Amino acid sequence: DTGVSQDPRHKITKRGQNVTFRCDPISEHNRLYWYRQTLGQGPEFLTYFQNEAQLEKSRLLSDRFSAERPKGSFSTLEIQRTEQGDSAMYLCASSTFASSYNEQFFGPGTRLTVL
Amino acid sequence: RKEVEQDPGPFNVPEGATVAFNCTYSNSASQSFFWYRQDCRKEPKLLMSVYSSGNEDGRFTAQLNRASQYISLLIRDSKLSDSATYLCAIEGDYKLTFGKGTLLTVNP
Repeated sequence: DTGVSQDPRHKITKRGQNVTFRCDPISEHNRLYWYRQTLGQGPEFLTYFQNEAQLEKSRLLSDRFSAERPKGSFSTLEIQRTEQGDSAMYLCASSTFASSYNEQFFGPGTRLTVL
Repeated sequence: RKEVEQDPGPFNVPEGATVAFNCTYSNSASQSFFWYRQDCRKEPKLLMSVYSSGNEDGRFTAQLNRASQYISLLIRDSKLSDSATYLCAIEGDYKLTFGKGTLLTVNP
């Protein structure tokens, strides 16, 4: 399977704990995005990387959230001191600079439940 | 005005029906436009990119109207398997802004 992969697929945690999610983009896709989706809403942009550089962060991304893409391949999203409001599906997407239309392809997501 | 607004739905149609979804956007500088399909508790899957001249893929036709700032998706001869949530997405500065999605249920 050469699509975007995410791990874990589900995470249940207690309020106040830290969690980390991983995303592996499609091979050779140099752009990687994180989105968050809650029930009844479309995905909302959180942040994106071009290669290893984090180029934009949404105002949704509070100080408790941090994302990295250290070698320009996989990325991690960490949430510190989780809150119940962080419960959502966290989606990763990737795209290639070679595409003039910048189609983004999504991974299966990590569903986070904060108790 | 919200950045992206979509028909709220839900749409319930019989098999074989034609159904159309519309989506309006506020940022006139938007560059690329897409329709995604999302099944329950799954990730969005790219259905179609929407080109300026309009484009068709089998039973699906996408249109873009830059002057009125909307995109549309037409599904002809709908199948049971078309039941899903349809999300429009507008790209600006490399990031996508999505509508809330429209739930389509195709009934036998």
